[in-house]
Amino acid sequence: EAQVTQNPRYLITVTGKKLTVTCSQNMNHEYMSWYRQDPGLGLRQIYYSMNVEVTDKGDVPEGYKVSRKEKRNFPLILESPSPNQTSLYFCASSTAGSLDYGYTFGSGTRLTVV
Amino acid sequence: AQKITQTQPGMFVQEKEAVTLDCTYDTSDQSYGLFWYKQPSSGEMIFLIYQGSYDEQNATEGRYSLNFQKARKSANLVISASQLGDSAMYFCAMRPYNFNKFYFGSGTKLNVKP
Repeated sequence: EAQVTQNPRYLITVTGKKLTVTCSQNMNHEYMSWYRQDPGLGLRQIYYSMNVEVTDKGDVPEGYKVSRKEKRNFPLILESPSPNQTSLYFCASSTAGSLDYGYTFGSGTRLTVV
Repeated sequence: AQKITQTQPGMFVQEKEAVTLDCTYDTSDQSYGLFWYKQPSSGEMIFLIYQGSYDEQNATEGRYSLNFQKARKSANLVISASQLGDSAMYFCAMRPYNFNKFYFGSGTKLNVKP
């Protein structure tokens, strides 16, 4: 089954404790991206990657890191989480070859930083 | 600058009636794709419908149709014969030709009343 697998689904952590949210896709998509969703703000892009070893900042990159060492994986790293990073996070992937191809989203990670 | 506007934070509709969710966009690109996603209370993002900027006919997918008015830069989602399971958050999104980003609106929360 074609899918984006995101883990964990739920995470509660304390301020300053480094964490990684994993994202893996099995569709050979070139393009991957991370979003955070907050009430009233919709989805805001954190980072995106056009292909292996090619990453770039989105609209709200502060406090986050990413890497793209393999085409299928695109982990999101919070080196020192803070309460304002409490949010619902989505990983998404898409092929870069066609304008009409939308995103396939992961199931989301609900992160709470206390 | 690219921007998606959804002016209806929340809407109610009676079961079996049709409902229109508004979406306007701002772009200087000539080629772009427009998408609608549904987010039920469980949190996942579900692709509903796509419209290309050069498509002359409005897109339809089952009970969903997209009322595309290019000159007005609007891409409203029409849901016919609403069902209780249609209660969810709905996001409008745009993908410009350069592929490196999807832009999302802030969403409309639809409640279908029995």
